[in-house]
Amino acid sequence: GQQLNQSPQSMFIQEGEDVSMNCTSSSIFNTWLWYKQDPGEGPVLLIALYKAGELTSNGRLTAQFGITRKDSFLNISASIPSDVGIYFCAGPNAGGTSYGKLTFGQGTILTVHP
Amino acid sequence: KAGVTQTPRYLIKTRGQQVTLSCSPISGHRSVSWYQQTPGQGLQFLFEYFSETQRNKGNFPGRFSGRQFSNSRSEMNVSTLELGDSALYLCASSPGTLGETQYFGPGTRLLVL
Repeated sequence: GQQLNQSPQSMFIQEGEDVSMNCTSSSIFNTWLWYKQDPGEGPVLLIALYKAGELTSNGRLTAQFGITRKDSFLNISASIPSDVGIYFCAGPNAGGTSYGKLTFGQGTILTVHP
Repeated sequence: KAGVTQTPRYLIKTRGQQVTLSCSPISGHRSVSWYQQTPGQGLQFLFEYFSETQRNKGNFPGRFSGRQFSNSRSEMNVSTLELGDSALYLCASSPGTLGETQYFGPGTRLLVL
C-alpha cells in the first residue's frame, strides 16, 4: 500500500539550532500535511501544502511541496524547548476515491536540549 | 470554533469486553475518520464516515465498527477486545471533500488488560 518514508527518525539538538526533516513517497500526493504530536495527545496541524512547488511558512516553521509531488520537507528555525514532540508528514494519495484516509510517515522524534 | 472532541479520554477494559468511543467533529464538518495509533504500527486508518455512510475502510477485522449520526457525531465500537487493541484511538474531522485537511481530536487512550 501507500507508504511515506520520513527522515530522520529522531533528532537531538540544542536550543537555537535549526531543524530539517523530510518525507518521500513512491506515489504522487495532491496534498502534503505536517502535524506535531505531543505525548498522549492528538496530532496538531502545523502546515498544509496544496500545490507542487508551494513554499509555506507558519512562524518559525517552513514547509515545501516538492515539484514531483512525491516529497516534502519541514524546517524549524531557532528551535525552542516547546518544539519537542513527534512530527508527522501525511497526505491523501492522488486519484481513486480514498475518502477520509491519510497516509502517515513514521514520525520524527525531536528533542531540544536547553 | 470548538475543535474535535473525544470521549472518554482514558479507558481500561479487560479482554473479551466491548467498548464504544465517541467523537464530535468541528461544527460544519461532515466527515469523520478514525485512526488507531500504536508504537509498533504508527497511525493506521480504521474507517471514514460522511453523512451517516461509511465511505472508506481500512484493513481491520470486523470487530471494529463505527457509525455516524445525523449531527455528524460518530462512534466507534470494538467488540471482543484483545490485548493488542490497546492503543490511542484518534478521530479527525474535515468538511468532506476528497483530499481535504483533517483536524484531530485529543484521542482516547484504551488499555486492555
